[in-house]
Amino acid sequence: EILMTQSPATLSVSPGERATLSCRASQSVSSNLAWYQQKPGQAPRLLIYGASTRATGIPARFSGSGSGTEFTLTISSLQSEDFAVYYCQQYNNWPPLTFGGGTKVEIK
Amino acid sequence: EVQLVESGGGLVQPGGSLRLSCAASGFTFSSYWMSWVRQAPGKGLEWVANIKQDGSEKYYVDSVKGRFTISRDNAKNSLYLQMNSLRAEDTAVYYCAGRYGDTNPFDYWGQGTLVTVSS
Repeated sequence: EILMTQSPATLSVSPGERATLSCRASQSVSSNLAWYQQKPGQAPRLLIYGASTRATGIPARFSGSGSGTEFTLTISSLQSEDFAVYYCQQYNNWPPLTFGGGTKVEIK
Repeated sequence: EVQLVESGGGLVQPGGSLRLSCAASGFTFSSYWMSWVRQAPGKGLEWVANIKQDGSEKYYVDSVKGRFTISRDNAKNSLYLQMNSLRAEDTAVYYCAGRYGDTNPFDYWGQGTLVTVSS
């Protein structure tokens, strides 16, 4: 089973600032890595797939990078609607499909 | 518009059973791998089960093997999860999710249905 570790658990950021979230896989997942955003009471929403490709309708302020075991999600200038929990997920080697524990981006 | 609508959640006693359903619309259901993903209260996401487009392959997380069964009816654009021998640790919101291929992320998600296992 591939373990996904996200850091930090909580990130406090002011609106307009840059946020950098990390995700590490216990073994290589190539570029088969996705990022999801989840707001309270809502389902997750796909942001990034293939480690760096934005899903349909996702603003350009969201970007993903990395391959192998180290990945980053960057939000270039946080907007009020971006405060949420973000999960990474690997789909390279399954079962099981595995998610990271999440990073909560909160208002500083 | 893509829609996945789950139903069938509720309160059940330990050892009991529930059957969840997910009604799909707005996309070619029969072309998608379908999954159940759950989220315990205040916790992260956990993949539960997968089923191939034609139902010929099914996979489960170890903690539900032998207790849960995933199935689908492509004629009805529906996904199901039969849950038996339920435990307190199965308490969660259960999401129906779809992905186009076996090396794809989850493109589509439902809004979830809450399952509470408690006496």
